[in-house]
Amino acid sequence: KAGVTQTPRYLIKTRGQQVTLSCSPISGHRSVSWYQQTPGQGLQFLFEYFSETQRNKGNFPGRFSGRQFSNSRSEMNVSTLELGDSALYLCASSLVTGTAGELFFGEGSRLTVL
Amino acid sequence: AQKITQTQPGMFVQEKEAVTLDCTYDTSDPSYGLFWYKQPSSGEMIFLIYQGSYDQQNATEGRYSLNFQKARKSANLVISASQLGDSAMYFCAMRPNNAGNMLTFGGGTRLMVKP
Repeated sequence: KAGVTQTPRYLIKTRGQQVTLSCSPISGHRSVSWYQQTPGQGLQFLFEYFSETQRNKGNFPGRFSGRQFSNSRSEMNVSTLELGDSALYLCASSLVTGTAGELFFGEGSRLTVL
Repeated sequence: AQKITQTQPGMFVQEKEAVTLDCTYDTSDPSYGLFWYKQPSSGEMIFLIYQGSYDQQNATEGRYSLNFQKARKSANLVISASQLGDSAMYFCAMRPNNAGNMLTFGGGTRLMVKP
């Protein structure tokens, strides 16, 4: 079966712009989580959505936002981009939230901010 | 708050040998899950193995096994019979069972398999 699909895979933006990243979870999965990976800070949790509701949020400024649609697809948005937002953004999906079991990741969207 | 420590930034292992990647964690939550992921240079995080804090037996998945020592708060990954394709970054992560899918990751260990 198809895995977690993230688009776009690579993108370049300039400071001040905004960006929207998309994540399609594995079919049937209702939980989608987003993570940021940078060389300096490592992997950090951004937020989780389950059944179109934000369930958890990490310690990121309000410029980072997300949403989930009724088909479980999720988008995250970063407004007023800063150089430090350059990172690999990873999306993960699971059947449900907060129970034992696997969390499957996509290949990520690599954002470069110039 | 949770903390994951991976003390080995990089490791070499000879092909076909076994290797242990260390992971210690700190949490006050009584119920939690521990994960190991592999990240090749492509960037995708590949799920390897999961251990619940109340599981009595150590988890195993093919060539991967998790050496879970709850009292010592360690969850080391053992890879048996290393293959060249095992060269990658390996991340240990944990999730309290009351925190949805909010994982806390360690800093990772880069494993390099020598032919």
